[in-house]
Parts: sequence; C-alpha cells; structure tokens
Amino acid sequence: KAGVTQTPRYLIKTRGQQVTLSCSPISGHRSVSWYQQTPGQGLQFLFEYFSETQRNKGNFPGRFSGRQFSNSRSEMNVSTLELGDSALYLCASVKQTSTDTQYFGPGTRLTVL
Amino acid sequence: GENVEQHPSTLSVQEGDSAVIKCTYSDSASNYFPWYKQELGKRPQLIIDIRSNVGEKKDQRIAVTLNKTAKHFSLHITETQPEDSAVYFCAASKVGGSQGNLIFGKGTKLSVKP
Repeated sequence: KAGVTQTPRYLIKTRGQQVTLSCSPISGHRSVSWYQQTPGQGLQFLFEYFSETQRNKGNFPGRFSGRQFSNSRSEMNVSTLELGDSALYLCASVKQTSTDTQYFGPGTRLTVL
Repeated sequence: GENVEQHPSTLSVQEGDSAVIKCTYSDSASNYFPWYKQELGKRPQLIIDIRSNVGEKKDQRIAVTLNKTAKHFSLHITETQPEDSAVYFCAASKVGGSQGNLIFGKGTKLSVKP
C-alpha cells in the first residue's frame, strides 16, 4: 500500500505571495490533518479534514486554509506569505478517527524570502 | 485547550543505558497518547501508543506508561543503541468530540553515544 505523499517537497517563495501544498493520503483513509513544524514552536496542528469537511481547526490565522476533495486528497493554501511561515508542513493520513494511527507524509519544506 | 509539556528537551546516554522521556498533559478528557520518532530530515514515525484504558504497553525495548490521575505518561527505551538517536515527540488526543488532531510536546533530542 502506498504511503502518504506530499507535493511539492520544496518551495521557495517571497513575502506576499501565496502557496498551495498538496497531500495524498493512504488509499482508504478518509481523514487528513495538517501540521506546521518549526524549530521554535515544534509541531503545531493546523486543521483536519474528513469527508471533504473541516472537522477541526488549530490556532492559525485565516491566511491558512485548506480543502479536501472527494478522493480524500487535500490541499492547504497560505496567502500573503510572511517570513515566519517558513516551516516544514506535514500532512497526516488517518483511516477514520483519532483512535487510528496518524501516518505522516514526508512534508513540504517552505522557505519564505 | 490541551497543552502537552515534554521533558527533557535533550538527553544524552551511553549505548546500552536506558532513556526515559516524560510528558504531562492538561486536558483530562485526552485518551490517546502516541509517541513519534523523527530522524533528521525524515517524517515523524509512530513508535508506540497507549490508550487511556491501559496503564502500560511494551514493544520489545520500548515501553510507555500512563498515569491518568496525575495526567502524565512516559516513554522508556531500554538497551539503547546508536540508531535510537533522534527527536522523540509525545502527543495527546481526544477521541470523540473534536477528533483527529494531535497536540504535541516540544520534543526530546536523544543522543546515544557508542
């Protein structure tokens, strides 16, 4: 069974631009969660999607948004990029609920210049 | 909301020694506690997890204990090996209500010296 994939793996953007990241979960998994990882703040929860609906949201500004498609693939978008948005963005695939293991993708390394 | 504190932030042990990492959580409703290992440049990988109806769980050299009354849980690694060197994260989650997100501790960088 293929694992969680994320594209692109690396991105360099400038302040003010916007970016879209993509995550394909494990086949059969219906839930995708997104996390931001930085050296200072560690792993922080962004949001979770289940059956195309946002089921939970962390404490991030509205510049961070996401969506999920009918095939469970998910995208997250960051608008008006700031230097502090530089981070590793990880998505996690879950079969259905948080009683199931969260499998992480390799991440997208975003650098904002 | 939930808050997870993890200690120590760095831990250095000799090969063959044991390593213990401790976490405390604030939300008494949390009932799922996974531990992830993240090697440099790689994704976090689940190494063991425990649910609130269990006090201890073992998997070869790794064990996790949970004290729900005190709201803390610990990771124990015995007979450490150099390949155990990584950053370890604890996390807490609630099942039911708002689901699907993990609240992580800040991580412990474990170094195992040969």
